[in-house]
Amino acid sequence: GENVEQHPSTLSVQEGDSAVIKCTYSDSASNYFPWYKQELGKGPQLIIDIRSNVGEKKDQRIAVTLNKTAKHFSLHITETQPEDSAVYFCAPYSGGGADGLTFGKGTHLIIQP
Amino acid sequence: EPEVTQTPSHQVTQMGQEVILRCVPISNHLYFYWYRQILGQKVEFLVSFYNNEISEKSEIFDDQFSVERPDGSNFTLKIRSTKLEDSAMYFCASNRQGAGNQPQHFGDGTRLSIL
Repeated sequence: GENVEQHPSTLSVQEGDSAVIKCTYSDSASNYFPWYKQELGKGPQLIIDIRSNVGEKKDQRIAVTLNKTAKHFSLHITETQPEDSAVYFCAPYSGGGADGLTFGKGTHLIIQP
Repeated sequence: EPEVTQTPSHQVTQMGQEVILRCVPISNHLYFYWYRQILGQKVEFLVSFYNNEISEKSEIFDDQFSVERPDGSNFTLKIRSTKLEDSAMYFCASNRQGAGNQPQHFGDGTRLSIL
């Protein structure tokens, strides 16, 4: 099965600064790379995803970059705001027949005012 | 925007009792999932369901667990004889095309507390 590592486990940044969270996976057959945001008391919500034929995707202040050779992908948040405070999970998918997602352990992002 | 809804938001049950968690997936979705999140840990896949049968299940989903689509709108997770270690948040998710490489939409979960 997929082995997923996320770093860092906790990230504290000043409001307005950028945040980067990295996800490393083991299965070279992985072809779909989503990031989920989980706010306190809520379920995970998809914020951005990328497929293996694309190296980078951007949606306003958030972006995802993919390095298939090194088997990692990263979430980038620019101009951070208080509402960005949450736990972020990566969930790379290898398409090996199991259609459940394998989540990383999560990164707690704290935006300091 | 359509949402996945889950009830109850919090369920407290005595160990050994049966519990049923309920979900209403998004109406035009055909593939349904249950996940579990133990406090402070990652979200773990339990089971996926399509066309009135289980598609995939994880090692966590043992004989104590079952899923059902009793009518056209509800999707349920039953734990037959609860254990202390079943205490967790349980999330239901759905998507239209039923592959892991399609976005899954999650509900806000049911917190299950086993006493």
